[in-house]
Amino acid sequence: DIQMTQSPSTLSASIGDRVTITCRASQSIHSWLAWYQQKPGKAPNLLIYKASNLGGGVPSRFSGSGSGTEFSLTINSLQPEDFATYYCQQYNDFPYTFGQGTKMEIK
Amino acid sequence: EVQLVESGGALVQPGGSLRLSCAASGFIFRTYEMHWVRQAPGKGLEWLSYISSQGTTIYYTVSVKGRFTISRDNAQNSLYLQMNSLRAEDTAIYYCVRSGFGELPFDSWGQGTLVSVSS
Repeated sequence: DIQMTQSPSTLSASIGDRVTITCRASQSIHSWLAWYQQKPGKAPNLLIYKASNLGGGVPSRFSGSGSGTEFSLTINSLQPEDFATYYCQQYNDFPYTFGQGTKMEIK
Repeated sequence: EVQLVESGGALVQPGGSLRLSCAASGFIFRTYEMHWVRQAPGKGLEWLSYISSQGTTIYYTVSVKGRFTISRDNAQNSLYLQMNSLRAEDTAIYYCVRSGFGELPFDSWGQGTLVSVSS
C-alpha cells in the first residue's frame, strides 16, 4: 500500500497568513493527488485534484503543487472559514490512501 | 443537485451484521464509480471499498476484505455496504462517495451514517 505522510499535524496561524501543508507519498503517485477540507461535523470537500487543479467553486487563494512523491497545499491570505482539517489522498492505485490530516487552528 | 444519502447506521454488538444503503439522486448513477469511506471518532479518513459503474470491478482495503461486501443497484440508484463480523474498531461514520470522471477523485460525499459496535 502507498503510505501518505502529512506535515504538520497541527498548524497555528492567523487571519491573513500564508500557510503551506506538505504531503509525502511512499512511492511515486505521479500527479494523482487530491486535497480535501473537512469542517467539524461535515463531510470532506474536494479542494484540489491531480496535484494542482482547483476543484469547482474553490477560492483561488488555495493552490496545490508537486509531483512524484512530494506535494504541497498552500493557502494565501487565510480567511476565518479556512480553519478546518485538511487531508491529502492518493488515487494513483488501490487501496486509495489518505494522509493523517492537518488541523488548522487560529493562533 | 447531486445528493448522496446514507442510511442504516446503528448500534450493533461485536460479531453482528449491518447493511448500509446510499440513495443517489441528481445525476446518472449508473455511469459513476462509487466508494465507501469511513472515519472513526476523532480520527482521519479511511478508504474502504470501490465498485465500478456496472459493478463488475470491486476493490477493498485489507482491514475489511472478507467481512464487508460492496454492491449497487443501478435501477434503484443505490449503493450498499454489507458489513459482517463487526468489531469495535469498525465504529465510525461511513460515507458514500462518488468518483468524478477522468482526473477527478472523490467529487461528492454523502453526509455519513454512524455505525457503533459495542456490547
